[in-house]
Amino acid sequence: AQKVTQAQTEISVVEKEDVTLDCVYETRDTTYYLFWYKQPPSGELVFLIRRNSFDEQNEISGRYSWNFQKSTSSFNFTITASQVVDSAVYFCALSDLRTSGTYKYIFGTGTRLKVLA
Amino acid sequence: DTEVTQTPKHLVMGMTNKKSLKCEQHMGHRAMYWYKQKAKKPPELMFVYSYEKLSINESVPSRFSPECPNSSLLNLHLHALQPEDSALYLCASSQDLDRNTEAFFGQGTRLTVV
Repeated sequence: AQKVTQAQTEISVVEKEDVTLDCVYETRDTTYYLFWYKQPPSGELVFLIRRNSFDEQNEISGRYSWNFQKSTSSFNFTITASQVVDSAVYFCALSDLRTSGTYKYIFGTGTRLKVLA
Repeated sequence: DTEVTQTPKHLVMGMTNKKSLKCEQHMGHRAMYWYKQKAKKPPELMFVYSYEKLSINESVPSRFSPECPNSSLLNLHLHALQPEDSALYLCASSQDLDRNTEAFFGQGTRLTVV
């Protein structure tokens, strides 16, 4: 079954600490896409990154970095030197092929990150 | 312009009321979505429109009625809702329905049914 697990429900860190958000997925597909979205208190989900199953290179974007490991079915997200503005709920998602031939997101349950000043 | 705009931001309605949620995007995206999100839960897909045609209905009760008047607009008509329908309703759009396409979300409408 297609599934995304974010075991960390809530994490609190002090500003400038590094923090890693875990994401473990299950899929029957050999080709698939994984995503991370950020949901700040304002409500909208903000796209952060997309990774396809054939590209295992780690990615860095400013203070954000992602570690994709097919061997452990994980796609973890690290924020370096966290800031208060990073406080949000973070969702990991898997793009799932439906029987109709269209795709939909399978979201994890989300990790609420609180960065304390 | 990379925004998805939703109105209203907040809505309180009685169980006998009829109301509509509106969503607009001007990014030229051909796919638009409605999601429902309860507190401390991930978004749940409700409807997907592709090229202004309904592509996916996730077995949503008929008291929710979507409409896509044109490629930039998406409405969700509400009628005879129940208190358990209170939630954040998110609209999103994407370039197309390909699996590698990211979605752009609006800030949502926080709906309370009394």
